[in-house]
Amino acid sequence: EAQVTQNPRYLITVTGKKLTVTCSQNMNHEYMSWYRQDPGLGLRQIYYSMNVEVTDKGDVPEGYKVSRKEKRNFPLILESPSPNQTSLYFCASSPRWGQVEETQYFGPGTRLLVL
Amino acid sequence: ELKVEQNPLFLSMQEGKNYTIYCNYSTTSDRLYWYRQDPGKSLESLFVLLSNGAVKQEGRLMASLDTKARLSTLHITAAVHDLSATYFCAVDNNNDMRFGAGTRLTVKP
Repeated sequence: EAQVTQNPRYLITVTGKKLTVTCSQNMNHEYMSWYRQDPGLGLRQIYYSMNVEVTDKGDVPEGYKVSRKEKRNFPLILESPSPNQTSLYFCASSPRWGQVEETQYFGPGTRLLVL
Repeated sequence: ELKVEQNPLFLSMQEGKNYTIYCNYSTTSDRLYWYRQDPGKSLESLFVLLSNGAVKQEGRLMASLDTKARLSTLHITAAVHDLSATYFCAVDNNNDMRFGAGTRLTVKP
């Protein structure tokens, strides 16, 4: 089944403890991105990647890191999480972003609570 | 900086009625997307609008794009309960996606 998977789905952690949220897609998509969703703010893009080894900042990159060493994986790293990073995180992928009729396919989401 | 504004943010409507959700954006873009999100779920793509005057329809939903006015609309015809969800528009700004805050739609019998 074609899908975007995220792990973990739920995570409770403490301030300053490094964590990684994994994202994997099995559709051979070139474009991947990370968003956070907060009430009343919609989704805000954190980072995106046009292809392997190519990443760019989105709207709210502060406090986050990403890497794209393989086409299928795009992990989100919080080196020193803070309570203001408590949020619902979505990973998404697209065959080739910017091409006609292409849309993004979203993962199930990761709910993060930083105490 | 690209800003995307949706209105209304909350919409309660009766089954069988028609209504329109509006999405305004602040800078030039030729790609606009509509997504649906059910409570506790992920986002599902509804429409991709790529050019001025583009109109797409799926069931009771119809989306349109006016790039000159920087406005997209999502029109709901004869609403049914199954359409209850949050609807987001999103604009592509050179690969940097900006989403509206979402419109939470509730359809009542």
